[in-house]
Amino acid sequence: DAGITQSPRHKVTETGTPVTLRCHQTENHRYMYWYRQDPGHGLRLIHYSYGVKDTDKGEVSDGYSVSRSKTEDFLLTLESATSSQTSVYFCAIKAATNEKLFFGSGTQLSVL
Amino acid sequence: AQSVSQHNHHVILSEAASLELGCNYSYGGTVNLFWYVQYPGQHLQLLLKYFSGDPLVKGIKGFEAEFIKSKFSFNLRKPSVQWSDTAEYFCAVNARAAGNKLTFGGGTRVLVKP
Repeated sequence: DAGITQSPRHKVTETGTPVTLRCHQTENHRYMYWYRQDPGHGLRLIHYSYGVKDTDKGEVSDGYSVSRSKTEDFLLTLESATSSQTSVYFCAIKAATNEKLFFGSGTQLSVL
Repeated sequence: AQSVSQHNHHVILSEAASLELGCNYSYGGTVNLFWYVQYPGQHLQLLLKYFSGDPLVKGIKGFEAEFIKSKFSFNLRKPSVQWSDTAEYFCAVNARAAGNKLTFGGGTRVLVKP
């Protein structure tokens, strides 16, 4: 398995609180992604990064921000969590354009 | 914008039955196509991918998929399933003009009865 660590693995928080999820990789891959997985919707891209300090929005970016200050870390922040952001969040990495994605184990986030 | 449709949300079959999962995408340009699998409690893993060349692609665990450009389809097949194939299957597309964004379909849950 690729060296991807997501933390925390599980989190329960209250509406309106800020939440940060971390994705750490040891593969030195250029591309990093945050997806959310919801029943019936598959995986939807939130944000992705194509290098340090280089990020772009995905299809469901509203309410989320990201930062990548180092190659190995990609942070996903919910500025003010809402119940609609209850989901499983997956980080993924990729070495180059025509390579496959490697996924982390996921973070189960519950917003009450 | 690229999008992916998986027609079947749930499939139930018996061991040794044949499996075919449909996948259609909407993008007229050059695409890279993928099938990923998620076994219960695990993260997604790549089954197979198509970038160019032979439109019939063979992947791991006896799976194959056929790219039919005229139908914008990339259906996944396995001639004889096993109980261990119980999982959720996701089709994904990356339009080359869209850079490195990979778009997933809604997934198909497959239950194989022993």
